[in-house]
This record gives sequence, C-alpha cells and structure tokens, in this order.
Amino acid sequence: NAGVTQTPKFRILKIGQSMTLQCTQDMNHNYMYWYRQDPGMGLKLIYYSVGAGITDKGEVPNGYNVSRSTTEDFPLRLELAAPSQTSVYFCASSSPSGTSGRRNTGELFFGEGSRLTVL
Amino acid sequence: AQSVTQPDIHITVSEGASLELRCNYSYGATPYLFWYVQSPGQGLQLLLKYFSGDTLVQGIKGFEAEFKRSQSSFNLRKPSVHWSDAAEYFCAVKSNYQLIWGAGTKLIIKP
Repeated sequence: NAGVTQTPKFRILKIGQSMTLQCTQDMNHNYMYWYRQDPGMGLKLIYYSVGAGITDKGEVPNGYNVSRSTTEDFPLRLELAAPSQTSVYFCASSSPSGTSGRRNTGELFFGEGSRLTVL
Repeated sequence: AQSVTQPDIHITVSEGASLELRCNYSYGATPYLFWYVQSPGQGLQLLLKYFSGDTLVQGIKGFEAEFKRSQSSFNLRKPSVHWSDAAEYFCAVKSNYQLIWGAGTKLIIKP
C-alpha cells in the first residue's frame, strides 16, 4: 500500500537553481494537491489538480509550476529557487465522487513530505 | 469566506489528563470537518471526520470530536492523553475542491 509517494525527502538548493519535486499516487485519485508548510505555520495550498490535464493555482503559486499529464503523477517545479521557498512540501490526493458511489468528502491522503532548503 | 480558527497555538497537559483542542469554522452550508495529526518530521494523518449524522464522531487513537452547529465548533477530545500524543493537530473544513486549514495546535505532554 504505497499511497502517496514523494521524492526527494530532503534537498538543498542554491539560489537560482531549479528542481522538481515528484509526487505519485496509486489510489486512482483524481484530485491532487501541493502544499507548503513553514515552521510553526499551517498548510498553504500552492497548486491543485482535479484530473489529468487540469491544474489550478492555490493560495501561494508564485515561483512554482505544475503539470498533470497522468492521473498518478503531479510534479511540482521550482524554476529559480529563492530562500523564501525554504519549506516542507507535502503532496496529497483525494478521491472524487464515483468511488464506491460515495460523494467526494474532501479527505486528503498525504505523502511524507519533502524538506527543501535554499541557500 | 470560509475559515478555520484554532485559538490555541500550543497546549500543555500532563500525561493521563484529559484533552480538548478547540476548532471554530466559518462556512455557509453543512460542513465536512476533519482533524489531522502531524507527528514531528512526519506527514499528516487523518484522526477523524464529520460529514453528517451523529454529531459525536469517534476517531483513531482514542480521539473523538463533537460537531456543534450552534457554536460553529468541532472540538477534539481525548479522556486520557499518552506521551505519544505529543504532536501538532490541525482542523480543516472542506470547501469545493480544497480543505481550508486552521493554523494548528501543538500539544505538549508533561510527564
């Protein structure tokens, strides 16, 4: 039962470098999300996707990009890393209506997080 | 706009004592409500959820929460905490495709 898998778990970047955080889920969930969590703070939504080929901005999208070419994968791209992007990033997924006939309840399943430091 | 407020940034309780973590929400319709727990260095795990029906819901690890519409609250309770309950607890309400999150309450357990 893999659930939601994120890689890498840890990464240190220099200012201006780029990288991609990978996220994959094996639950056939249509909805996927990227959050960031800063120390002592709650979760802030970066981007989300309601299905393959569909993405939308969340609360804090600046400096990030996403794509959703398949149901399983939802990578998060940082093009020009900045110190303000030092954070812990969480990928999550949830299932819409249609699964066992139930409505989408909004319950999220989370990955274990990716800790990113930009120096 | 929908919002979730967790008034307590951190709470300290003695091991074996009872616990109540507060959560207030602002939402126009019948809310779908959640409590998640995050242990240090870990991801978030669902403790319990409320969609409809019985306003007292049971979750994992001996936690329960009560939905009170009149007070717009969904407080989390546990009759006797264990040292392993030390973690951060987040309340959330479903809004369209997303969850609206509270800022979290850090639970500290005194031996």
